[in-house]
Amino acid sequence: EVQLVESGGGLVKPGGSLRLSCAASEFIFSNAWMSWVRQAPGKGLEWVGRIKSITDGGTTEYAAPVKGRFTISRDDSKNTLYLQMNSLKTEDTAVYYCASEWSYAFDIWGQGTTVTVSS
Amino acid sequence: QTVVTQEPSFSVSPGGTVTLTCGLSSGSVSTSNYPSWYQQTPGQAPRTLIYSTNTRSSGVPDRFSGSILGNKAALTITGAQADDESEYFCLLYMGSGMGVFGGGTKLTVL
Repeated sequence: EVQLVESGGGLVKPGGSLRLSCAASEFIFSNAWMSWVRQAPGKGLEWVGRIKSITDGGTTEYAAPVKGRFTISRDDSKNTLYLQMNSLKTEDTAVYYCASEWSYAFDIWGQGTTVTVSS
Repeated sequence: QTVVTQEPSFSVSPGGTVTLTCGLSSGSVSTSNYPSWYQQTPGQAPRTLIYSTNTRSSGVPDRFSGSILGNKAALTITGAQADDESEYFCLLYMGSGMGVFGGGTKLTVL
């Protein structure tokens, strides 16, 4: 069964840093464009950013609220996606999902990991 | 800043048909926005229902269908069931290559 499993969430103080991971199993990870999507408590979904496959350039794109603070990377040898979050703000509090992209949509979702930014 | 609009809430009777829509604050939705639809129940990850306007994701029942209606994308549920009670989000791709989610529609089946 194809799975994406996020980890690394937790409680962090404003201004702090956190790194999330997303491990893929039974999945052609290296060919996939991968994204992070978040959902603040009681709110809707928000696309955080994406990283293309290495064969498609491996480039990244970010939503305006996180640009310059968050960095998405991938290690295809480990089938793992990362989200490095720096200078965290209270408004970054959310469940963070990793998801693969297919045909201009998200097709496989992880179960999510919770990030709480609070003093 | 382009806003993707959805009805905040909707209700449908069991066995009934409901159409949820997804629009743009400025302009019309077309197939070039590659509309996709996601179902989410509380505490769960989203589930992909429809992509590229009208293609059902693997395992999605055929009572779910997608289309363009006028200047909006639409998700139609035919023969609604109790477990269709969920929140539904649409996603539209913009010219920038990034997508924007709508605010979601909470569907009640009663």
